[in-house]
Amino acid sequence: DTAVSQTPKYLVTQMGNDKSIKCEQNLGHDTMYWYKQDSKKFLKIMFSYNNKELIINETVPNRFSPKSPDKAHLNLHINSLELGDSAVYFCASSRNQGQSTEAFFGQGTRLTVV
Amino acid sequence: AQSVTQPDIHITVSEGASLELRCNYSYGATPYLFWYVQSPGQGLQLLLKYFSGDTLVQGIKGFEAEFKRSQSSFNLRKPSVHWSDAAEYFCAVGGYQKVTFGTGTKLQVIP
Repeated sequence: DTAVSQTPKYLVTQMGNDKSIKCEQNLGHDTMYWYKQDSKKFLKIMFSYNNKELIINETVPNRFSPKSPDKAHLNLHINSLELGDSAVYFCASSRNQGQSTEAFFGQGTRLTVV
Repeated sequence: AQSVTQPDIHITVSEGASLELRCNYSYGATPYLFWYVQSPGQGLQLLLKYFSGDTLVQGIKGFEAEFKRSQSSFNLRKPSVHWSDAAEYFCAVGGYQKVTFGTGTKLQVIP
């Protein structure tokens, strides 16, 4: 059983389109995250949710809108896609939002905007 | 603000040789430190973590790391590298509500 699963794994789309990435965790964790990994492998946090409540929004353009229908799911919707949005997006979860809590990562979604 | 520096972007070692990947952190309080590994096309997997206690921590796949407060370092080591260890390695520091990652070190293993 996959602990943190994301779909789709690959996503190729044209500029200006709207797309969504879904994430589900079956670990019973309270906290979920979205990270963006750029072409240089730099991992930057985008959002953090704790029990469906937004905790962190790291100056991400408002074209990105996370939605957490329940604490096991955190989806990412992106409007008006731009070339610079091309990256690998990772969903992760942790037991809680404390600093000692390790994060479990999904396999990533490689988004390519053409 | 918390930050992590991994000074080596790319390291090449021979199979069977020892390995040390460097990591320096900046954090205002007691740090919680992690090493993750990312194999090509995969997500990140936790290798080991340090919260408190013994400054030498053991992880999976034969890796260990040593926390040195005086040097603000948490270097990852392995005595004998295997070809399957070729991957990207990330050091991270746990702050309240988020984990901050370093820029990663790509490990190449040659026969």
